[in-house]
This record gives sequence, structure tokens and C-alpha cells, in this order.
Amino acid sequence: DTVLTQSPALAVSPGERVTISCRASESVSTLMHWYQQKPGQQPKLLIYKASNLASGVPARFSGSGSGTDFTFTIDPVEADDIATYYCHQSWNSPRTFGGGTKLELK
Amino acid sequence: QVQLKESGPGLVQPSQTLSLTCTVSGFSLTSYHVSWVRQPPGKGLEWMGVIWTGGSTAYNSLLKSRLSISRDISKSQVFLKMNSLQTEDTATYYCARDRGFGVPFDYWGQGVMVTVSS
Repeated sequence: DTVLTQSPALAVSPGERVTISCRASESVSTLMHWYQQKPGQQPKLLIYKASNLASGVPARFSGSGSGTDFTFTIDPVEADDIATYYCHQSWNSPRTFGGGTKLELK
Repeated sequence: QVQLKESGPGLVQPSQTLSLTCTVSGFSLTSYHVSWVRQPPGKGLEWMGVIWTGGSTAYNSLLKSRLSISRDISKSQVFLKMNSLQTEDTATYYCARDRGFGVPFDYWGQGVMVTVSS
């Protein structure tokens, strides 16, 4: 299975720029997606196919990458962005998710 | 609008079978696939399996021997059955709309928490 590795946690302040990385154990082309999950809620799609903004998602969120290395950026961070972010690949079967990166306030 | 809603027992005894229902609205099961994804408390997400628009299924190999996904198109319902439950199966179970290869899950249900305990 394709393993997706994310750093477990990042501390941020509102107004800052934050970048979350996701490294795949094998190529996933550009079929990497990013979700936001707040406590007690279901995941919400933010970015699809590496760099495309999902409908209704603010332009503060962006993504880039291809192959095995991907990044997800929030600029600027707002207090409401405190959540856990998951990368997810749909190139290889089975589809897999990263372990999640929890954004915390400094 | 598109909605998915999971339902089922909150508590299942070890070695028993879990049965969950995902009721969808706003789209047809003959136009979109539906996947099941689970999340143990405080942990990440695991794709379990999918039922395709044509009715065939695919499962995560780690769960394949215990898992079955079916549907009732007339009721817009997708069913998950998993046997031989263990405490490690304690998780929130989500159903999600699945548009197939290469595409992310665009709509998710709210999830149902299932605890495996005697």
C-alpha cells in the first residue's frame, strides 16, 4: 500500500503562513487531495488533484506537488483553520490517507 | 442537496457482526459509487471498501475476509457488514460519495461511532 507521511503537528499564529508536507512512498502522479477535519466532524475536501481548490473553499488554501512530494499551504492562517489536515491519494489501490497534521495555536 | 447519513448500533460485542446503513439523498447510487472509511479514536482515516455504480465491490485487502458491502437502490441505501469484530475495530465509520479513480471523496456523512466492547 502507498504510505503517506505527514508531520504530526504544527504550531501557528493567526496571520502566519503555514505549509504542511505529505510524502508518498511511491508516485501518485498528481492524484493527491487534502481534507480538513475539525473535532467531531467529518472530513471536508479542500484541495483535489494536488492544486485545485474545491468549491467554496477560500483562496487562502492552496496545494502543489507531483510524484511523491506534496505541500498544502494556508496563507494567511485564521483562527478557524485550527484543525487536522489529511492528505489522501487516489492513484494507487487501495486509496490511502496520511496520518494527519494537527494545527495548533502558538 | 447531496447528503449521506450513517446509522447503526453504537455498541457491538467482540466477535459479533457490525451492520451499518448509509442512506443517501441528492444523488443516485446508479450514478455515483459509495465508499466506507473508518477512523479509530484519535487516529487517521482508513478506506474500507466501495460499491460501484454497477453493483460490484472492492475491498481493502486488510479487511476483505470480514467485510461485505451491498445496496438497495430503491431505498438509496448502502450497507456495510463486517464480522468477527475486535476492540481494534472501534472507530467512527463514514460513508462517502465516490466518483471513482483519481477523484477524491467529495461528500461525507457525519459518521457513526461504533464501540466494540463486552
